[in-house]
Amino acid sequence: NAGVTQTPKFQVLKTGQSMTLQCAQDMNHNSMYWYRQDPGMGLRLIYYSASEGTTDKGEVPNGYNVSRLNKREFSLRLESAAPSQTSVYFCASRDRASRPEAFFGQGTRLTVV
Amino acid sequence: EDQVTQSPEALRLQEGESSSLNCSYTVSGLRGLFWYRQDPGKGPEFLFTLYSAGEEKEKERLKATLTKKESFLHITAPKPEDSATYLCAVQARVNTGFQKLVFGTGTRLLVSP
Repeated sequence: NAGVTQTPKFQVLKTGQSMTLQCAQDMNHNSMYWYRQDPGMGLRLIYYSASEGTTDKGEVPNGYNVSRLNKREFSLRLESAAPSQTSVYFCASRDRASRPEAFFGQGTRLTVV
Repeated sequence: EDQVTQSPEALRLQEGESSSLNCSYTVSGLRGLFWYRQDPGKGPEFLFTLYSAGEEKEKERLKATLTKKESFLHITAPKPEDSATYLCAVQARVNTGFQKLVFGTGTRLLVSP
């Protein structure tokens, strides 16, 4: 029962570097999400994909891009990392038709120096 | 604006000492309220979904209740393994018709033996 798998678990980047966070789910869910979690801020939605082939901006999309590669995979790309993007990133998935709750991955802890 | 406020920020209990966590919310048309548990270094783990005022859900030592403006997570006779951060989220509709989760900042619970 893998659920939602995120890679990598930890990453340190230098300012200006780029990287892609990977997320895959094996629950056949239609919707996928990327959140960031910062102390005192709660989880904030970066981008979401309601279904395969569609993506939309959430609350804090600046500095990020996403790709819904197929139904299983949803990646988050930082084109030019900034210290303000230091955070813990969570991917989640949900099947709106059957169960309303979202299932989360274990997170990627990203530090930008 | 959709908003979720959780209190207290942190709570320290002795084993067996019952208490409640609060989640107050403002949302345009509640479509579900969710409780999650988050352990350090892990992703949020789903606990309960509540849909309408008066509804209650139970799981082991936890009971969630819902009114028109707030939800409570009651913890009866807690054990040290109940120590975690408890997150509350509401499901809100965005103007595209998509439904997003709005999270509170959580309550950090520590249960001492």
